[in-house]
Amino acid sequence: GIQVEQSPPDLILQEGANSTLRCNFSDSVNNLQWFHQNPWGQLINLFYIPSGTKQNGRLSATTVATERYSLLYISSSQTTDSGVYFCAISGYSTLTFGKGTMLLVSP
Amino acid sequence: NAGVTQTPKFQVLKTGQSMTLQCAQDMNHNSMYWYRQDPGMGLRLIYYSASEGTTDKGEVPNGYNVSRLNKREFSLRLESAAPSQTSVYFCASSAGDTHYGYTFGSGTRLTVV
Repeated sequence: GIQVEQSPPDLILQEGANSTLRCNFSDSVNNLQWFHQNPWGQLINLFYIPSGTKQNGRLSATTVATERYSLLYISSSQTTDSGVYFCAISGYSTLTFGKGTMLLVSP
Repeated sequence: NAGVTQTPKFQVLKTGQSMTLQCAQDMNHNSMYWYRQDPGMGLRLIYYSASEGTTDKGEVPNGYNVSRLNKREFSLRLESAAPSQTSVYFCASSAGDTHYGYTFGSGTRLTVV
């Protein structure tokens, strides 16, 4: 099956800093999504982005399908950005999740 | 609010007991999924239902059964709970099995003692 690797595994930022999270995958994809799991456990879909670039406020994502990676950018981070960020991939079936990047934004 | 509703939110079981986790969505989605989340493992697919009337095994189906009761509801049953099934369980739905975003429920934290 598809392999999904996320980096870094952990990240600590000061409020206001920028960050880039990376997702590498092993095969061509039809579906790539980024999720945020907040400290209360809720999973929120951030982006559906099998290719190209999308932006939503301070967050943006870019997927380069031909090179098999996706990047999630967080600008001017806030404490509410803390949590775990998951990349999830599918080829022709269901989503396979990476192990996530745990982000802590301190005031 | 529209979304995916899971019940219960918390449950403690004794080894060997059975229980059913309930999931319902009101977005008219075709596909529904059950995942489990364990520390350091990300989310792993247990079972899914691509459409009403169909179910398929995921990555970790052993010890579980599912029922797609109708288009809205997809339940997960543990027939004889084991400590290895202690986990957080998430139900999700999507309009299709690919090319669409997923919506997750708020999770069920299950402890088997």
